[in-house]
Parts: sequence; C-alpha cells; structure tokens
Amino acid sequence: GAGVSQTPSNKVTEKGKYVELRCDPISGHTALYWYRQSLGQGPEFLIYFQGTGAADDSGLPNDRFFAVRPEGSVSTLKIQRTERGDSAVYLCASSLQLGPIYEQFFGPGTRLTVL
Amino acid sequence: DAKTTQPTSMDCAEGRAANLPCNHSTISGNEYVYWYRQIHSQGPQYIIHGLKNNETNEMASLIITEDRKSSTLILPHATLRDTAVYYCIGRELYSGAGSYQLTFGKGTKLSVIP
Repeated sequence: GAGVSQTPSNKVTEKGKYVELRCDPISGHTALYWYRQSLGQGPEFLIYFQGTGAADDSGLPNDRFFAVRPEGSVSTLKIQRTERGDSAVYLCASSLQLGPIYEQFFGPGTRLTVL
Repeated sequence: DAKTTQPTSMDCAEGRAANLPCNHSTISGNEYVYWYRQIHSQGPQYIIHGLKNNETNEMASLIITEDRKSSTLILPHATLRDTAVYYCIGRELYSGAGSYQLTFGKGTKLSVIP
C-alpha cells in the first residue's frame, strides 16, 4: 500500500519568502508528526497531531512556523519569512493512533534550501 | 526518554554480521530500547525494539544486557543495502506522560563494504 508521501521533494526559496510543505499520511492513520533534520544530525521533533488538532507543538522553533491538518488527513507545514537557518530536510511521519506503542512510518522528506 | 550513546561510525564487510552497540546507562525500568535506521535520502525506518529480553525479527536481533545499561543491534549477514545511519532510542511506552515524539541522537553511520 501507499506509504507517507511528501511534496515537494525539494524546495529552493529565497530568504524572507513563505513556503508550504505538504504531507499525505498513510490512509487511516490518525496521528501525524513533523520532524526537521539538519545536515549530520538526527531528526528533531516539531509538532504532532491527533486528528485535526495539534496535540503538541512544543518543538516548533518560533512563531514563523505553523502547521495545520484541517480534515485530519493531509497536513501542511507553513514557514513564514524564511531564514537561511531553516534549510533542512523536513520529515513527516504517521501512525495508526497517537501513542508510543504505535509505529511511526516516515515519508522521504522535503529538502528545503533557503538562499 | 533515556539519553543514548553510540559510536559515530562503523564499517562492516558484506556478508558478515554487523554489531552496533548502544549505551543507555540512565534508562529507566519502563523504557524500551528502540532501533531505527535511515538510508540515504529516505526517512527513518523502524527495525526492532525490546525491554529486557533479547528480540529477533526478520531484519535484526537485539541483545540487551542484563543490567539494561547497553544493547547491541545485530544484522546477521550485512548487505550493501544495510548501509545507513542507525539510531538507538529509549522510549517509555506506558507512562501516560504524553510525549509521543521520537528523540533521535546522531546515530551510527554503518558502511557495508564489498
């Protein structure tokens, strides 16, 4: 079956621009997670959703970052006024339900480059 | 979640067993040891997890020391496709604490050599 998909696979933007990154979770998965991975580092948590609501957004670095999941399926990570330090791979994962006993399945990520 | 320590990198000859160590001396009694791997340009992939008993599945074996302060992930016959970064993570599964994200370190970069 289809796994987690993310679009675009690559995004190049200029400093100060607005970007949106999309995640399509596995069908039927109610929990969705966003992580960010800088070069040479492991993924770092940003936010996770149970259904439509953000259950924990404590990993978002500042108020330029926002994520939505209006219908409880597709999620969009939005970054305003991008900075060069936002350059990273943004990973999305989904799990059947929210909770550590449920395996997280990751997408291939979106590589964001801010020039 | 417990802090884990792994070597930065390891090499393994193709066809040989790859033994990847992880130290987790501060692990609590309720924390499981999880292993994920990340092949280049892909997202992390779950491999195996365990609490205190050794575990085996179709991908790997997990050996946890009796004091639970360290563990070893074993890939019994490494192939070139096993070249990846391997992450060891400590997770509480049943605490009800509400932190459901995975906390990754830098992992071990395993290079399988022909």
